[in-house]
Amino acid sequence: DAGVTQSPTHLIKTRGQQVTLRCSPKSGHDTVSWYQQALGQGPQFIFQYYEEEERQRGNFPDRFSGHQFPNYSSELNVNALLLGDSALYLCASSLLGADTQYFGPGTRLTVL
Amino acid sequence: GQQLNQSPQSMFIQEGEDVSMNCTSSSIFNTWLWYKQEPGEGPVLLIALYKAGELTSNGRLTAQFGITRKDSFLNISASIPSDVGIYFCAGPGNKLVFGAGTILRVKS
Repeated sequence: DAGVTQSPTHLIKTRGQQVTLRCSPKSGHDTVSWYQQALGQGPQFIFQYYEEEERQRGNFPDRFSGHQFPNYSSELNVNALLLGDSALYLCASSLLGADTQYFGPGTRLTVL
Repeated sequence: GQQLNQSPQSMFIQEGEDVSMNCTSSSIFNTWLWYKQEPGEGPVLLIALYKAGELTSNGRLTAQFGITRKDSFLNISASIPSDVGIYFCAGPGNKLVFGAGTILRVKS
């Protein structure tokens, strides 16, 4: 039973560029959430997708957008990258309404 | 917004010692979750708590949902080197809020 997978593992971009991160949920899960984890901090909620729509959103600007596909996989897009966007981006999957979320290994984004 | 205060910030203990850490919230939670994160990995769910006063164990780990519903505790008994990592509390549901984490180091 495959867990949550994310790609790529690492990514280096320059300021102003755009980036797309990908996530495949755990088998049987239909809901995907994205989190940003800055160095030395706990993860912060970005948004959650279910049935290909954004259901909830945290305190992140519109530069952060996402998408969910019919197979439940998801993408996180960040436009006009800033140095402060450097972080570990985590994807978590769950069943809709379930409190427990299962995390992938993350994508380490470095913005230069 | 909701805030979680997690303490202690870090611990450096001798192998075999017991460990206690706690988490408090500014608001009432219906669910408390405890995760462990190792370097280069995502958080791994250790224990989930759903009811005030609930005490749940997972091997050497025991967690409790505080009766005020604003706090939770995690204990690790007889620590071993592989317990090293960062422990996070989180809640309350779909839009998880995380504490800042407790860094645990074990001296063998």
